[in-house]
Amino acid sequence: GENVEQHPSTLSVQEGDSAVIKCTYSDSASNYFPWYKQELGKRPQLIIDIRSNVGEKKDQRIAVTLNKTAKHFSLHITETQPEDSAVYFCAASTRGYSTLTFGKGTMLLVSP
Amino acid sequence: GAVVSQHPSRVICKSGTSVKIECRSLDFQATTMFWYRQFPKKSLMLMATSNEGSKATYEQGVEKDKFLINHASLTLSTLTVTSAHPEDSSFYICSAREVTAMNTEAFFGQGTRLTVV
Repeated sequence: GENVEQHPSTLSVQEGDSAVIKCTYSDSASNYFPWYKQELGKRPQLIIDIRSNVGEKKDQRIAVTLNKTAKHFSLHITETQPEDSAVYFCAASTRGYSTLTFGKGTMLLVSP
Repeated sequence: GAVVSQHPSRVICKSGTSVKIECRSLDFQATTMFWYRQFPKKSLMLMATSNEGSKATYEQGVEKDKFLINHASLTLSTLTVTSAHPEDSSFYICSAREVTAMNTEAFFGQGTRLTVV
């Protein structure tokens, strides 16, 4: 089955700095890679996703890159703000009805 | 986006009793739903895959007789924690994927905080 590794487990940055979270996956059949943000006690919310036919995707301050050959993908947050503080999860799956396999999460803390 | 509703959001029960958690897809049909368990400051661990009209598929180490899953319709899956014990206290969350030609996003319910006393 799929195995997703995520690093770092915690990340502290100053407001305005950039934050990068990295994930690797094991199953070459995986072709869908979403990123979720989870605030304490709340449900995970999709913030951005990328499919395997795309190498990079950007949405305002958030970008995701994918290297299929190396089987890794990364989340980049620029100009971080305190409200970006949360736990971020990467995931991998095939499209359709299959389950998502999640990384262990990264707790991002943005200090004012 | 699509909506997945989970109920209840919080429940406290006595040890030995059973608790039922409902997961509904409100505006799309979900032939497959997923149940996760999340410990504090930990990731989402898949417990089982709920399949409409058939038996659930459980992950290794998850007791199917303890965590009963029923997916009786295309919009409702239930998880029943039977004979609950304090070690079953956790955050349980369901998910369903809306699969269309343009999208394959997974949506999560609000989660259920179970406390067994």
